[in-house]
Amino acid sequence: SAVISQKPSRDICQRGTSLTIQCQVDSQVTMMFWYRQQPGQSLTLIATANQGSEATYESGFVIDKFPISRPNLTFSTLTVSNMSPEDSSIYLCSIRVSPGDEQFFGPGTRLTVL
Amino acid sequence: GENVEQHPSTLSVQEGDSAVIKCTYSDSASNYFPWYKQELGKRPQLIIDIRSNVGEKKDQRIAVTLNKTAKHFSLHITETQPEDSAVYFCAASDSGAGSYQLTFGKGTKLSVIP
Repeated sequence: SAVISQKPSRDICQRGTSLTIQCQVDSQVTMMFWYRQQPGQSLTLIATANQGSEATYESGFVIDKFPISRPNLTFSTLTVSNMSPEDSSIYLCSIRVSPGDEQFFGPGTRLTVL
Repeated sequence: GENVEQHPSTLSVQEGDSAVIKCTYSDSASNYFPWYKQELGKRPQLIIDIRSNVGEKKDQRIAVTLNKTAKHFSLHITETQPEDSAVYFCAASDSGAGSYQLTFGKGTKLSVIP
């Protein structure tokens, strides 16, 4: 199965700053997603990253706060902008090689905002 | 949109006993139901899944059953071992709608007591 990597694995940031998280897959995949997992909670979909076009955001998430890029079929970035302590969370990249296939998760980025 | 309810939220069993986790979903169009295991500090790992054209699927000590009429599905773990201790998430997806988004339950923390 595809190997998913994320950078950074963890970071501690000051409020008001921005952090860009990278997701790299070792093979081309059709679908890439970004999830947030707050401490002790379930997984919440932030957006679907669309190659060559704007991401599709879920209710409660907006492009200004979470801009996403997907320049090709193996790479995507999620930026957490103007961070506050409430953004402290684990951010996970997730993929499906083809629509209808199984969905797999990257190792996650643990973000702490002070 | 889809809503997935998962019960119980915590479950403790003696080593060697069976564990059952139940989920219900709201959208009758959902047709793909994966289960993920998440150990502390790790990414969610897909352990088994079932599609709507199948009523039961088994993989060694784990099995999943699906009742489409009642809109519920369950995870069964037999002969539990301490390494089964983790948080388990169920999810549902409507592949036919084209979004392929997974909606997750809130999770069940399983503790296997040696």
